[in-house]
Amino acid sequence: GAGVSQSPSNKVTEKGKDVELRCDPISGHTALYWYRQSLGQGLEFLIYFQGNSAPDKSGLPSDRFSAERTGGSVSTLTIQRTQQEDSAVYLCASSLPIVNEKLFFGSGTQLSVL
Amino acid sequence: GNSVTQMEGPVTLSEEAFLTINCTYTATGYPSLFWYVQYPGEGLQLLLKATKADDKGSNKGFEATYRKETTSFHLEKGSVQVSDSAVYFCARGGTSYGKLTFGQGTILTVHP
Repeated sequence: GAGVSQSPSNKVTEKGKDVELRCDPISGHTALYWYRQSLGQGLEFLIYFQGNSAPDKSGLPSDRFSAERTGGSVSTLTIQRTQQEDSAVYLCASSLPIVNEKLFFGSGTQLSVL
Repeated sequence: GNSVTQMEGPVTLSEEAFLTINCTYTATGYPSLFWYVQYPGEGLQLLLKATKADDKGSNKGFEATYRKETTSFHLEKGSVQVSDSAVYFCARGGTSYGKLTFGQGTILTVHP
């Protein structure tokens, strides 16, 4: 596609359920990032992929959060046993693997945990 | 630590007013600096960037100068338009790959 695609755009779940969020990066972009945007918290870095490897997972807030990437393309962010504090917009971005290269962001997944 | 601090919002201006949104950073070394913008209902997009001290980034009438002495990268526009209403994020780049550290974001509303 022409841009970074994320699905679903909105997800409402009950506390304790697992959720999967998907990101389709721009073709040819080997670098992929997940961020979380919460009210009053700005954008928090979660994880960085280069190809299928994740050399920086330092932003994952707990072991309930995990992410994978397959074929150097699609990435899935999984949150297990969701909590209300997980409610946020989850953003995916991709870029060429060059330092200081522009990041292209998707429109995000709005996650609401009831 | 490494962080980015932005002027708190929201900021409300009348059309054609002058805009400044302050941004300061802490970092080891001299990272690249960015302003990203998020228009209503859209994803973040790069507005401008500067990669070294004294560089000026500019786009769509917006400007920001990389000030090493004051560790700042303030965003300015001489005459804002209603269409500039958005959330503006200052960000600091990484050293070995493209990870960005963002400020809190500043909501700008421009009235006719």
